[in-house]
Order: sequence, then C-alpha cells, then structure tokens
Amino acid sequence: DADVTQTPRNRITKTGKRIMLECSQTKGHDRMYWYRQDPGLGLRLIYYSFDVKDINKGEISDGYSVSRQAQAKFSLSLESAIPNQTALYFCATSDLDVGGLTQGQFFGPGTRLTVL
Amino acid sequence: AQTVTQSQPEMSVQEAETVTLSCTYDTSESDYYLFWYKQPPSRQMILVIRQEAYKQQNATENRFSVNFQKAAKSFSLKISDSQLGDAAMYFCAYRMNSGYALNFGKGTSLLVTP
Repeated sequence: DADVTQTPRNRITKTGKRIMLECSQTKGHDRMYWYRQDPGLGLRLIYYSFDVKDINKGEISDGYSVSRQAQAKFSLSLESAIPNQTALYFCATSDLDVGGLTQGQFFGPGTRLTVL
Repeated sequence: AQTVTQSQPEMSVQEAETVTLSCTYDTSESDYYLFWYKQPPSRQMILVIRQEAYKQQNATENRFSVNFQKAAKSFSLKISDSQLGDAAMYFCAYRMNSGYALNFGKGTSLLVTP
C-alpha cells in the first residue's frame, strides 16, 4: 500500500462549489504539506502543518483552508472554487531532520482538479 | 526568498548515453538542502537524490549523481546509462536548514530516445 494517499485522484467541479481534497499517510510523519502544481510553474506551497495543533499558511494560501484531523490526515478545502484553482494538488509528508540529515519530503499521487 | 532556476525547459538523450540537467539557486544561507525530484507521466513526485550543503562530497544514487558547486550555487544532476524509464519531468528543489517548505524550479522535461 502507498505510504501517502490522496482522494479523489481526479475531480471536476463547477465555479462556486465547495471541494475537499483528502490526504492520509502511514509513514508516521508529523509534518504534512499541501502543494499546488501549475504547468510551467513547478510546485508551490499552500499550507503546512507540523502537528495537529500547528497549521501555517504557505506561499499561496488565499482561497484555501486546511484541517489536520489527526497525525495521519490532512485535508485541503476550497470553500468556493474558481477556475484559476484548476491545478494538480499534492500532499506531502516529512520527518524531522536528524543529525543534519534529511530524508526529504514524500509525495502522494496527486489530485487533478478542474474547476469549470 | 530563495529562487531555484532550471534553465533547460527540455532536454533529450539517447538510451545508454549520459545527460546533465542544470540547476542554480539563490540563497544567503550557508546551511541548506538540495533535492532532485522526478515526475513521470504517472505524475507521482519521486525523490531521486538529495544533498546536504555542508557535505563536500557529491551525492550518488546508482546511475544518478550530482555536481554540487556551493560557491557557484549550482546543483546539476547527471544521469548515466539513460533508460527509457528515465523520461520524465525533473525538478530541482531547495530547502533551508531551519526551514520546512521546498522551493521548486520550474522543471526540465527529459526525453529519452531509443
């Protein structure tokens, strides 16, 4: 089974609808992230969470909200979707660095969201 | 803010040959981490290799190696004995030592021809 899972994998919705993207992980990591990927722009950070009670805005948080329901679950919501939120959304997790060494971030398979 | 630049939008290599993907970054930090991620058509982001800035030795993972030039702020990825399965989008990423988020470049699309 995949360590980081995202649901749904693909979603088409209409302008103004509320959408929730879900992420679950079995890696036991405290840190979780939501990124957005647009063609030609790489990935940009939307929100991140270091634990259940610690949630922080990233570079492009406007129009999004998140919920950390448990260590293993981190959801991203679009309260009122708009067409320019059409993108590929990734959840990622990471562990603490130890002794100056990092394992990097581990990504889910992505959710392709289309807002019409 | 740190910026990561990948100056080659597309690259092509023949099977079994070697290719080098370029990455430069801008930072005032002395301690940081650098990564290369691969994104095949399946769109999964896969960590290929990582480098701690305090290490002078270049990281190597099987056919993948990096040329880390700290003074020049350069972090290129070399793929040896290229295989068809190496065809993908490759992203260079930076993270501050005390940071959390990855700053990504815009990616290089690698085509592998038979």
